[in-house]
Amino acid sequence: QLVLTQSPSASASLGASVKLTCTLSSGHSNYAITWHQQQPQKGPRYLMKVNSDGSHIKGDGIPDRLSGSSSGAERYLTISSLQSEDEADYYCQTWGTGIWVFGGGTKLTVL
Amino acid sequence: EVQLVESGGGLVQPGGSLRLSCADSGFTFSTYWMSWVRQAPGKGLEWVAIIKQDGSEKYYVDSVKGRFTISRDNPKNSLYLQMNSLRAEDTAVYYCARVPRSGIGAGWGQGTLVTVSS
Repeated sequence: QLVLTQSPSASASLGASVKLTCTLSSGHSNYAITWHQQQPQKGPRYLMKVNSDGSHIKGDGIPDRLSGSSSGAERYLTISSLQSEDEADYYCQTWGTGIWVFGGGTKLTVL
Repeated sequence: EVQLVESGGGLVQPGGSLRLSCADSGFTFSTYWMSWVRQAPGKGLEWVAIIKQDGSEKYYVDSVKGRFTISRDNPKNSLYLQMNSLRAEDTAVYYCARVPRSGIGAGWGQGTLVTVSS
């Protein structure tokens, strides 16, 4: 079964960097995923697609301080130079046969 | 920039029906698979349904099969979700979205709130 696993929470200091992880279930380690940001009281925003080889394709207007990478079944979103507006929920998503699957989301707190 | 605008949400009694709409102001609506995604209060994102570019394929999450119907009108750049036999657990903000496998042209609407309550 295709499942995406995310840690429920993460925190980092203003100006620092943070790496969020999305783990694909067994047998699906070659799947690409996408990352989405949801700021408080707002709708989701598409950030990027991350391929199994670590390459990534960003959405329009996504700053350079956000990047994606991969290692095995793990897909990462790295945010550098953390700003207060980065405090949000982050969801990963992938495609099954005729379905979408979301991870449970990671709530990022900027200290 | 992707511009998707949902409408049609509101308060409905259990067992009732509601039709959501999503308008795409761009010029490429007909080239994308389109989805509905919902978010219950305080919860994460849950995919609900998806429809192919020409409407020939439709898929649903198990919890809405037989109750919800996704459709589209490409000349009108519009996506729809007909929701019947609504239950309290269908209460959520409903988003229309497209997230193509290419990673290009993805985007979300702002959402419309559906509340199922007596």
